[in-house]
Amino acid sequence: NAGVTQTPKFRVLKTGQSMTLLCAQDMNHEYMYWYRQDPGMGLRLIHYSVGEGTTAKGEVPDGYNVSRLKKQNFLLGLESAAPSQTSVYFCASSWGSLTGELFFGEGSRLTVL
Amino acid sequence: AQTVTQSQPEMSVQEAETVTLSCTYDTSESDYYLFWYKQPPSRQMILVIRQEAYKQQNATENRFSVNFQKAAKSFSLKISDSQLGDAAMYFCAYRSRGNKLVFGAGTILRVKS
Repeated sequence: NAGVTQTPKFRVLKTGQSMTLLCAQDMNHEYMYWYRQDPGMGLRLIHYSVGEGTTAKGEVPDGYNVSRLKKQNFLLGLESAAPSQTSVYFCASSWGSLTGELFFGEGSRLTVL
Repeated sequence: AQTVTQSQPEMSVQEAETVTLSCTYDTSESDYYLFWYKQPPSRQMILVIRQEAYKQQNATENRFSVNFQKAAKSFSLKISDSQLGDAAMYFCAYRSRGNKLVFGAGTILRVKS
């Protein structure tokens, strides 16, 4: 049972480099989310998607871009990485209902030097 | 914007004892869901319990129960008969029809043997 899979799990970048985090889910969920987790701040929503081809901004979208070209995939891009983007990133997916539990990936630890 | 506040950065409990984790939230909406998620050292996010705002009855899942006070916008988690495996970070979360899940900053629970 794959569930929600994030790649890569770890990455070290230099300031100014770009990279893409890939999230894949095999549960046919409509909704997908990208969060970042920082000490003392919980999980903060970066971007989310309510369906294929749609994206929306969350609480902390600056410096990130996303795409949802296929229903099962949600990509998070950093065009020019900054040290402030050092964090653990979580992808999640859910059914499109208020009650829907979010299913999370295992997280991706990104360090920007 | 909705906010979720967990005022206890860290809590400790003796094994087999009971502990209560606090959560308050701010919203002007009437229809929403509240969740408690557990994050052990493995980083995996695990749903512990959920509460529908329109239900007055408090949700219960085995040793986990909530005290939901809608008027006070309070949603505390009670863990009975605490076990070593309960040690983790606990996050309170709020979800409305906008379908964004907003998290609190988290409470670290330590269980002493």
